[in-house]
Amino acid sequence: KAGVTQTPRYLIKTRGQQVTLSCSPISGHRSVSWYQQTPGQGLQFLFEYFSETQRNKGNFPGRFSGRQFSNSRSEMNVSTLELGDSALYLCASSLAAGGTYNEQFFGPGTRLTVL
Amino acid sequence: DAKTTQPNSMESNEEEPVHLPCNHSTISGTDYIHWYRQLPSQGPEYVIHGLTSNVNNRMASLAIAEDRKSSTLILHRATLRDAAVYYCILRANAGGTSYGKLTFGQGTILTVHP
Repeated sequence: KAGVTQTPRYLIKTRGQQVTLSCSPISGHRSVSWYQQTPGQGLQFLFEYFSETQRNKGNFPGRFSGRQFSNSRSEMNVSTLELGDSALYLCASSLAAGGTYNEQFFGPGTRLTVL
Repeated sequence: DAKTTQPNSMESNEEEPVHLPCNHSTISGTDYIHWYRQLPSQGPEYVIHGLTSNVNNRMASLAIAEDRKSSTLILHRATLRDAAVYYCILRANAGGTSYGKLTFGQGTILTVHP
């Protein structure tokens, strides 16, 4: 079974631009979560989607948004990019929403560099 | 989310057991203890989880203190491929508002020497 795929793997943008990252979950998985990883802040939760609905949101500004499609694929968008948005963005999928028994499977991430 | 405390780093020799501790003194009665690890240049991967009883799987064992205020991830025979950052995470019970959210701490950097 194919794992979680994220595209693109690497991205370079300039301040003020916007960016869209894509995540395809494991087949059959309906929950997709997004995380930001930086050297200073570590791994931080952005949001989770289940059945096209945002179920939980982390403490990030409104410039960060996401959506999920009917096939469970998800995208996240960052508008008006800032230098501090440079990070590894990770997507994780799981079978269902929530539940402590739901193992999350992570993709390889998208490395975003903002110049 | 309840907080976990882990040592910043640990070292081990190949083929020796490794015990990675985690303190979670404010754990609630319904919080599960999860462990994930992140190998270099990869996304995190699930290792093991438990509630009260010790747990074993093909990757590791999880020993949970009787009062649940601490736990230990045990790698029975460390290999070079086990060098990673190990995260101890508490997850609220199903139906809670945390849903799929994982709250990562700084984790423990495990170095394995050949």
